[in-house]
Amino acid sequence: RKEVEQDPGPFNVPEGATVAFNCTYSNSASQSFFWYRQDCRKEPKLLMSVYSSGNEDGRFTAQLNRASQYISLLIRDSKLSDSATYLCVANNAGNMLTFGGGTRLMVKP
Amino acid sequence: SQTIHQWPATLVQPVGSPLSLECTVEGTSNPNLYWYRQAAGRGLQLLFYSVGIGQISSEVPQNLSASRPQDRQFILSSKKLLLSDSGFYLCAWSGGVVDEQYFGPGTRLTVT
Repeated sequence: RKEVEQDPGPFNVPEGATVAFNCTYSNSASQSFFWYRQDCRKEPKLLMSVYSSGNEDGRFTAQLNRASQYISLLIRDSKLSDSATYLCVANNAGNMLTFGGGTRLMVKP
Repeated sequence: SQTIHQWPATLVQPVGSPLSLECTVEGTSNPNLYWYRQAAGRGLQLLFYSVGIGQISSEVPQNLSASRPQDRQFILSSKKLLLSDSGFYLCAWSGGVVDEQYFGPGTRLTVT
């Protein structure tokens, strides 16, 4: 079983839609979590950090459920520019990050 | 502000040739440094990390090695490349009290 699992997608949504991704992690000792965005053939860029139950930044909301060991990312009012691969990441210990395989989002006009 | 550089951006090398990829960080001191590889259509795999000059930890045994000759310089090397070494190599740094990692632009390596 992978330590961090994500649905690879793709999620095809129209502009303006709300879309949610879930991510599960297997290591109950994981302390913090992140969502990164990766555009095609580019480096991952940090989107959000999740240290407690959740975080919100504009149209993006991340929620953490430690009991069920999953993290979600909600994107409201999707834009064409939101099209990318979203990586779910767990910090297990000592700044060692474990990356999920990514969920691909395609926002259509 | 902090910036991270990697070069070269792209590289095509024959099997059996040596490799040297360089990563430098500006605007911070004593960062933790990381090398990752992302194979086509795959997730990121941590290869090496360093918490200080000359301190290297390897996560995956392979024909690659890493060195940290200066505080903000991290080098990934190989004496003889394999076809399976092809991929997107990413350097990252973290520092301070937070554990967020920030990535460089990457080097796309194709071994032929």
